[in-house]
Amino acid sequence: EAQVTQNPRYLITVTGKKLTVTCSQNMNHEYMSWYRQDPGLGLRQIYYSMNVEVTDKGDVPEGYKVSRKEKRNFPLILESPSPNQTSLYFCASSLSGTTEGYTFGSGTRLTVV
Amino acid sequence: EDQVTQSPEALRLQEGESSSLNCSYTVSGLRGLFWYRQDPGKGPEFLFTLYSAGEEKEKERLKATLTKKESFLHITAPKPEDSATYLCAVRSNSGGYQKVTFGTGTKLQVIP
Repeated sequence: EAQVTQNPRYLITVTGKKLTVTCSQNMNHEYMSWYRQDPGLGLRQIYYSMNVEVTDKGDVPEGYKVSRKEKRNFPLILESPSPNQTSLYFCASSLSGTTEGYTFGSGTRLTVV
Repeated sequence: EDQVTQSPEALRLQEGESSSLNCSYTVSGLRGLFWYRQDPGKGPEFLFTLYSAGEEKEKERLKATLTKKESFLHITAPKPEDSATYLCAVRSNSGGYQKVTFGTGTKLQVIP
């Protein structure tokens, strides 16, 4: 089944403890992206990647890192999480990132205390 | 700066009662308008892409239309299983790259 897989689905952590949210797609998509979704603010882009080793900032990149060493994987790294990073995170992918819609993962609900 | 505004924020319909959701947008150089459906606790699911004014797309009870300033998602004779949040997004040429901006969604509830 064609899909974007995120792990974990739920995560509670403490301020300052580094964490990684994994994202993997099995559709050979070039484009991958991370979004956060907050009530009243909608989906906001954190980082995106047009291809392996090519990444760039979205609208809200502060406090996040990404890497794209393989085409299928695009992990999101929070080096020192803070409570304002408590949110629902989605990974998305598309074939080229230019014309077609995205396939989204099921989401990761992160709570930073 | 690109802007996407969806209305209403929430809509409650009786089963079979047709209605429309609105997505107003302001972008520089539209490269596509997208509709997604999002169920509680799940990621958005892609529905349609519209590229130019006058274009229409249909899928079951849903029909999306596009003008130069807004898009409508018409729901004909909705069923309870159509209950979800519907998101609109636009892709444009902004800041030198193709950027996608999402609206905050319309939460639709269809009552049996």
